[in-house]
Amino acid sequence: EDKVVQSPLSLVVHEGDTVTLNCSYEVTNFRSLLWYKQEKKAPTFLFMLTSSGIEKKSGRLSSILDKKELSSILNITATQTGDSAIYLCAHPSNNDMRFGAGTRLTVKP
Amino acid sequence: EADIYQTPRYLVIGTGKKITLECSQTMGHDKMYWYQQDPGMELHLIHYSYGVNSTEKGDLSSESTVSRIRTEHFPLTLESARPSHTSQYLCASSIGGGKNIQYFGAGTRLSVL
Repeated sequence: EDKVVQSPLSLVVHEGDTVTLNCSYEVTNFRSLLWYKQEKKAPTFLFMLTSSGIEKKSGRLSSILDKKELSSILNITATQTGDSAIYLCAHPSNNDMRFGAGTRLTVKP
Repeated sequence: EADIYQTPRYLVIGTGKKITLECSQTMGHDKMYWYQQDPGMELHLIHYSYGVNSTEKGDLSSESTVSRIRTEHFPLTLESARPSHTSQYLCASSIGGGKNIQYFGAGTRLSVL
C-alpha cells in the first residue's frame, strides 16, 4: 500500500525564520508528488514535482524532489504569520490521492 | 483557479435526519472525490468517481452514498445522520492520470447533535 509520511507533525517558529518541511514516500509506481497548503478550509495546491533535483519556486516557497531518497522538502523563507497552516504532501495513485498526515506550522509574530 | 463548489458550508442537524451534501465543478473533470477530515487529522478518502455512472468506495468505510448522474455533480447522502458523522467533508475533482492535481471545494462542516 502506498504510504506518505511527513515530518515534523508540528512546528512553531517566529516571523522571519526559515523552515523546512519533510515528506517521504513509499509507493508502488511513482507518478508525482504534490504539496498543498490547508488553512481553515480546503487544501490549496502549491507545487507538483515529477523530476528529481528540479526546484519549484513560488515567492518565498520552494520545493524539491529527491527520487533517490524517496523524499521531498518544502522550504519557506522569511516566514510570516499568514504562512500558518497545515502543509500536506500527497502522491496520486490509480484511484485517489494518498495524503500524509500534514505538518502544522504556526508562525508567531 | 479551481471552480468547485460545495453547499452547504455549515450544517447542524439532529440525529436520524437524511442529508445531502452538494458538490459541483465547472471544469469538466472526469474524476471526483469525497474526503472526510476530522479536526487536526488526515484526509481520508470515502468515495470517488471516474465519470458518469461510476462510483467506488474509498479507503475509509463510510455509511454515506454517492451518485454521479452528471459529470459536474457529485452529491453525497447520509440516509440517517448520527453524531459519529460529525466531521468536515471535502469534495475534490481532477483531470486524472499521473499528473493528478486535485482541486478542492471549500468543504462542508457537519455537526450531528
